[in-house]
Amino acid sequence: SQELEQSPQSLIVQEGKNLTINCTSSKTLYGLYWYKQKYGEGLIFLMMLQKGGEEKSHEKITAKLDEKKQQSSLHITASQPSHAGIYLCGADFTSGTYKYIFGTGTRLKVLA
Amino acid sequence: SAVISQKPSRDICQRGTSLTIQCQVDSQVTMMFWYRQQPGQSLTLIATANQGSEATYESGFVIDKFPISRPNLTFSTLTVSNMSPEDSSIYLCSVGTGEGYEQYFGPGTRLTVT
Repeated sequence: SQELEQSPQSLIVQEGKNLTINCTSSKTLYGLYWYKQKYGEGLIFLMMLQKGGEEKSHEKITAKLDEKKQQSSLHITASQPSHAGIYLCGADFTSGTYKYIFGTGTRLKVLA
Repeated sequence: SAVISQKPSRDICQRGTSLTIQCQVDSQVTMMFWYRQQPGQSLTLIATANQGSEATYESGFVIDKFPISRPNLTFSTLTVSNMSPEDSSIYLCSVGTGEGYEQYFGPGTRLTVT
């Protein structure tokens, strides 16, 4: 079974709207990593979360990790067409490794 | 972070042939990885490319099918051997450079096998 589930699978929003993407783990994770992928291209690193309750922001994107370290959310404020793409969460479940499990991905489309 | 390039960016190959993908990093890195992303799917780790020794393969991936070289700390290759249409995927290399175990990815190689 998939250890990392993302929801929703796809999202279409009007420009200027806020949106949230969730990433849920079936077990406690060590580190949680958010990436953005333009269709058919490589992944762009967005943020890393390691501590329960941690929250980080970069420009209009905020990511949070819950206290139990099993769920993360990615929130985009005032979305723009440039935010469109596939958002992937990745997690490692063992301390001190680079072995990621990736989520199923959320495909975001922003209508101008 | 690191700047990572991959060659080729895309290719169309016939079944039964092999393709070697190159990954070049602009700085020396200890950890390099190869991933596969099948159409509409998420990423799956193929192997860890170890400098100076054999790669470490994940379950379901074998050296005969995906031989990997890592001659130095800035370069690695992945070969997809005896290709079939099921090998049609995006292949990505990544490096680990951060203290927090974040990875940085190359632009990917889109492979289509006919």
